[in-house]
Amino acid sequence: EVQLVQSGAEVKKPGESLIISCKGSGYTFSSSWIAWVRQVPGKGLEWMGIIYPGDSDITYNPSFEDHITISVDKSIATAYVQWSSLKASDTAMYYCARRLNYYHSSGRLSDAYDIWGQGTMVIVSS
Amino acid sequence: DIQMTQSPSSLSASLGDRVTITCRASETISGFLNWYQQKPGKAPTLLIYGASTLQSGVPSRFSGSGSGTDFTLTINSLQPEDFATYYCQQSFSMPRTFGQGTKLDIK
Repeated sequence: EVQLVQSGAEVKKPGESLIISCKGSGYTFSSSWIAWVRQVPGKGLEWMGIIYPGDSDITYNPSFEDHITISVDKSIATAYVQWSSLKASDTAMYYCARRLNYYHSSGRLSDAYDIWGQGTMVIVSS
Repeated sequence: DIQMTQSPSSLSASLGDRVTITCRASETISGFLNWYQQKPGKAPTLLIYGASTLQSGVPSRFSGSGSGTDFTLTINSLQPEDFATYYCQQSFSMPRTFGQGTKLDIK
């Protein structure tokens, strides 16, 4: 079974550091991009960035780039997102998702997210 | 960033109804539009990619159409498991962006 399994919920204080993980199985992990998506409670989905496990190529959403670090360890099929100094506004559910590549009728390569992790809830509160 | 706007934000319908959700992009995205379904407490699931291609395993009562800036998701003959929140997402340019969601509930 193709799946992404994320690390468990976290409760942290403002200013603390945190790393959460996403482990892939059932497919060739190094061959598919992994994206991270944030969902503030009761709100919509926000794309944070994406990493290619094969060579650690990363694209960040500029809105998140200064505050998070996305990384990967392909030897254990695991992607990460980390914060060095959490804020209360980081309280959210975080999802990882596998990128599905497809060719549009125009011939251009595009993508969607076909496999999602179960989510990691992060609560930041003093 | 490309802004994605869905309408309506919420929708009430009955079992067996046909419903349509609209997604508009702030600039042209050709056909690079995906639709997701999210149920409470669960991760999103991919329904449609490339504006109209049904993801494997998704029931045929779901369909998508559109190109350029205007897109629609149609659900024929609503089933109990269809009551959820639906999101569109553009895959035309970085950063990828989602619509704000449309919550579909039972009338």
